[in-house]
Amino acid sequence: KNEVEQSPQNLTAQEGEFITINCSYSVGISALHWLQQHPGGGIVSLFMLSSGKKKHGRLIATINIQEKHSSLHITASHPRDSAVYICAVQKTSYDKVIFGPGTSLSVIP
Amino acid sequence: EPEVTQTPSHQVTQMGQEVILRCVPISNHLYFYWYRQILGQKVEFLVSFYNNEISEKSEIFDDQFSVERPDGSNFTLKIRSTKLEDSAMYFCASGGTGETQYFGPGTRLLVL
Repeated sequence: KNEVEQSPQNLTAQEGEFITINCSYSVGISALHWLQQHPGGGIVSLFMLSSGKKKHGRLIATINIQEKHSSLHITASHPRDSAVYICAVQKTSYDKVIFGPGTSLSVIP
Repeated sequence: EPEVTQTPSHQVTQMGQEVILRCVPISNHLYFYWYRQILGQKVEFLVSFYNNEISEKSEIFDDQFSVERPDGSNFTLKIRSTKLEDSAMYFCASGGTGETQYFGPGTRLLVL
């Protein structure tokens, strides 16, 4: 069983829509990451969370440690948000990152 | 903003050849990692490195792979005799005390 699951696998949205991507994990963690991967392949770190909620611009990430669940929200989506969004976890501070399968987002003008 | 850099960005090699992928981690970081992503699949952990030795490796990281930090700034991944299935994007990452891991832009390796 995969330690990190994401839903949906693929998502198409109209520009301006509110988007939610979900992540669930099955292990105890010290941190959860949300990452963005564009078609060129590079990975950009969006958030690292250990509790609560973080906001950066139009992106909001939340985590519920008890339920082992996190969500990434994008408000007022834009075509430039089109990318693969990856949830990943670390069991301890300096441990390897365990990646989820990613959610492919396409925002249509 | 500090960043992890990787060279080359793309490499094409013949099966059986040796390749060395290079990474320059963030300067005050102490923990170093290599990951790979086969096209269409999720990112997988290869190896972590701390205090000049491997701290953890995955089952993918067999005897064909090695890592070293030759000069205190570069962090390299060597594949001794490449196979077709080594074709992938290879990411380096580094981490400091209490910090998130920072990822490099990746090296796309194609083995023919």
